Amino acid sequence: DSGVTQTPKHLITATGQRVTLRCSPRSGDLSVYWYQQSLDQGLQFLIHYYNGEERAKGNILERFSAQQFPDLHSELNLSSLELGDSALYFCASSADGYYGYTFGSGTRLTVV
Amino acid sequence: AQSVTQPDIHITVSEGASLELRCNYSYGATPYLFWYVQSPGQGLQLLLKYFSGDTLVQGIKGFEAEFKRSQSSFNLRKPSVHWSDAAEYFCAVGPPGGYSTLTFGKGTMLLVSP
Repeated sequence: DSGVTQTPKHLITATGQRVTLRCSPRSGDLSVYWYQQSLDQGLQFLIHYYNGEERAKGNILERFSAQQFPDLHSELNLSSLELGDSALYFCASSADGYYGYTFGSGTRLTVV
Repeated sequence: AQSVTQPDIHITVSEGASLELRCNYSYGATPYLFWYVQSPGQGLQLLLKYFSGDTLVQGIKGFEAEFKRSQSSFNLRKPSVHWSDAAEYFCAVGPPGGYSTLTFGKGTMLLVSP
């Protein structure tokens, strides 16, 4: 157990739907990062939050959004889902910046 | 822009043999460098990291990596591979200092044969 909790572990949904992925960072970590892992693109950085504020955006689609709440948990919202959004979505946390990310075990999203 | 290349998609090594996984990076200065391992169905686990100083860094599970500035490389090594080392290995780079994000390579899948 890395200390980073992601729920759900698996999600199957239909095209056009909206889902929410949840991440609880390791105790004491203020930064949360979201990554998408697919076979063809590898690990792609989506977005970074630090203590509730957005710090950096990567290759995140406009259909995707995220937020970090006062209790530091984060949610990644994916809407108007397409088949190509099927992937593993990882959350990682760190105490300060990006030094030594701790990853969660991921949410596997399957869009059918 | 920073980038990471892991030239080997798959590598097969016999159990007990030595291992070297290659990582080359592109960055204007010396970045911070990391190796992660991902076992099937698991998240990524940090093996080791290089920020500065001694170019040979030791990590967990008996792994080490050597930073070579002249070759822009950060290769991962292990003297004797165990069957439990079979996993996917990712090299990552990030700019030194401040808040930023890591750029990952596409990964190298390690297969261990008996």
